[in-house]
Amino acid sequence: QQPVQSPQAVILREGEDAVINCSSSKALYSVHWYRQKHGEAPVFLMILLKGGEQKGHEKISASFNEKKQQSSLYLTASQLSYSGTYFCGTKYGGATNKLIFGTGTLLAVQP
Amino acid sequence: SAVISQKPSRDICQRGTSLTIQCQVDSQVTMMFWYRQQPGQSLTLIATANQGSEATYESGFVIDKFPISRPNLTFSTLTVSNMSPEDSSIYLCSVGRPGGETQYFGPGTRLLVL
Repeated sequence: QQPVQSPQAVILREGEDAVINCSSSKALYSVHWYRQKHGEAPVFLMILLKGGEQKGHEKISASFNEKKQQSSLYLTASQLSYSGTYFCGTKYGGATNKLIFGTGTLLAVQP
Repeated sequence: SAVISQKPSRDICQRGTSLTIQCQVDSQVTMMFWYRQQPGQSLTLIATANQGSEATYESGFVIDKFPISRPNLTFSTLTVSNMSPEDSSIYLCSVGRPGGETQYFGPGTRLLVL
């Protein structure tokens, strides 16, 4: 069951904010966010563990709502370097190590 | 984070042939995984490479098509066998450290099958 991300794509101007959602049909143990630029490997951004905590990384933060089985990634005051495809990777149990990746969200930041 | 290298970085192959992709990590890791990313798509887990034992394959992937080896804690190979144009993808290995939750990705191997 692949998590569904929304929106599929978003275009921003520099300085604008964006929210990317990751929804699962199953209970989540943890959510991992990655950014992938064209022609490059995915780069780890942050991990959210069961517990509803919100984590931050510069102007990028995320939340994890266990009840709703979803996570949201918040990008504030976007920069050109934020452009890329964002993926959530989900774990469905503490005993498993494998990640199931979401459908992806293409983010384009324009000057 | 771990430093991960993959060889080859890209290749163009003829249908019916096989290609072996190598993944090397600069330090010992417990978890190694192989993913496939088809053009414009998300990442799909092929299998978990287990050190010293057979890999664990995901639904839709079989050992005869994607044999995997992992002889030690820093190295793994993925072979794409009897290739067809549908195998044209980026193949990525990812690794995780003991006790860690995070996975880090190698640079990927871009495969085009003609």
